[in-house]
This record gives sequence, structure tokens and C-alpha cells, in this order.
Amino acid sequence: QKEVEQNSGPLSVPEGAIASLNCTYSDRGSQSFFWYRQYSGKSPELIMSIYSNGDKEDGRFTAQLNKASQYVSLLIRDSQPSDSATYLCAVNKGSSNTGKLIFGQGTTLQVKP
Amino acid sequence: DTAVSQTPKYLVTQMGNDKSIKCEQNLGHDTMYWYKQDSKKFLKIMFSYNNKELIINETVPNRFSPKSPDKAHLNLHINSLELGDSAVYFCASSQDQTPAFFGQGTRLTVV
Repeated sequence: QKEVEQNSGPLSVPEGAIASLNCTYSDRGSQSFFWYRQYSGKSPELIMSIYSNGDKEDGRFTAQLNKASQYVSLLIRDSQPSDSATYLCAVNKGSSNTGKLIFGQGTTLQVKP
Repeated sequence: DTAVSQTPKYLVTQMGNDKSIKCEQNLGHDTMYWYKQDSKKFLKIMFSYNNKELIINETVPNRFSPKSPDKAHLNLHINSLELGDSAVYFCASSQDQTPAFFGQGTRLTVV
């Protein structure tokens, strides 16, 4: 079992729809969770972090965390073609924030006009 | 003003050569990282330095040696390059322990 798993996609949604990106992780002691966006040929960009169970909203982005189910998701409301990118889920392994992030393989999102 | 800059952006070299990638950040961050992204887009940490001190050293071959002359710079030297070293190498920095800013990447191709 991979430490951080994501469906590689592509996930295709029409413009204006809600895109839902999912991620599961294996280390039950993990405390910190992150979403990065990576455009093709570019570097990853940190867009969300979440540490507590529940939802965290930032503009059109909402991160959701369920530690009991070892599941973290990212919702993008009112999806735009400019949101088309690969979204990387990352988990800080273990119970302390060491900076040692384990990344999933990423989900490619395509937003169609 | 580029926050995290890496040079070179592209590097094509022959097997067996030694090469270096340089990274500089102008954000005043204490922590810098090297990540490797393979052809399947997996991003994996290699090293992390905090204030010039090595704090994460993942299982990478000894041919890879990081050097941090000061907290704004973290260079990566690779000896005896192999075909499997071909990847994109990203430098990153942060003030806390989460890599927040990535450089533009160095695409290394070993032929």
C-alpha cells in the first residue's frame, strides 16, 4: 500500500462545476496535510494546509480532513479552465512536523470550457 | 524578484559525469530542501537543511551530496551520474517545516 494515494485521473469537470479531489494516507499518526497545485512543466505551489478534522475554506478552495478515515480531500468550487493542473496531496509523516512530506502521485484535473 | 531560483534549468550530460545544481532563496527562510520528481510525477524528498544543518537525509545514493554554505543557499552535487538519475530536481524553502516555495526545477537528462 502506498503511503499517500490519489487517483491519477484525469478528472474532467465542466467549467463552473465543483471538482472533488481525494487522497488517502496510511500513517495514522500523521498530523499535517497539504495540497499543492502543479501546472504542466512548472513547480508545485502550496495552496492549502489542514491540521484538524473538518473543513477549511480559502476562496474557492475547501480542504476536508477526516483522520478516523485517513482521508483528505480538496474541493474546488466554480472550477475554471485555469484550475486545470495536477493536484498533489502531501502528508507530514509521523506525529511531528518535520518537513518530511510524503506526496501522492497527483490527480490531473481538466476543466473544460 | 525570484523567491527560489535554481540553476541551471536544463542539464544534459553523459553517464559518469559529475554535475552540480545551485539553489538560492531570497526569502530569509531557515529551511531549504531538495526534492526529486521522477517521470511518473512522484515528488520525493532527498535532503533538508535548517540554518545550514542537515536535518533530513533520505535514502539516496552517496553520489548525491548537498552543501549549504549559508542559509540562503543549498547546492546539490552529483557524482558519477547514472541513467536513473534523470528527473526534475526541485529546490524549496520554508520558514516553518513545510516546503512552501519551490524553485522552477532543474530537468536533468543523463544520456
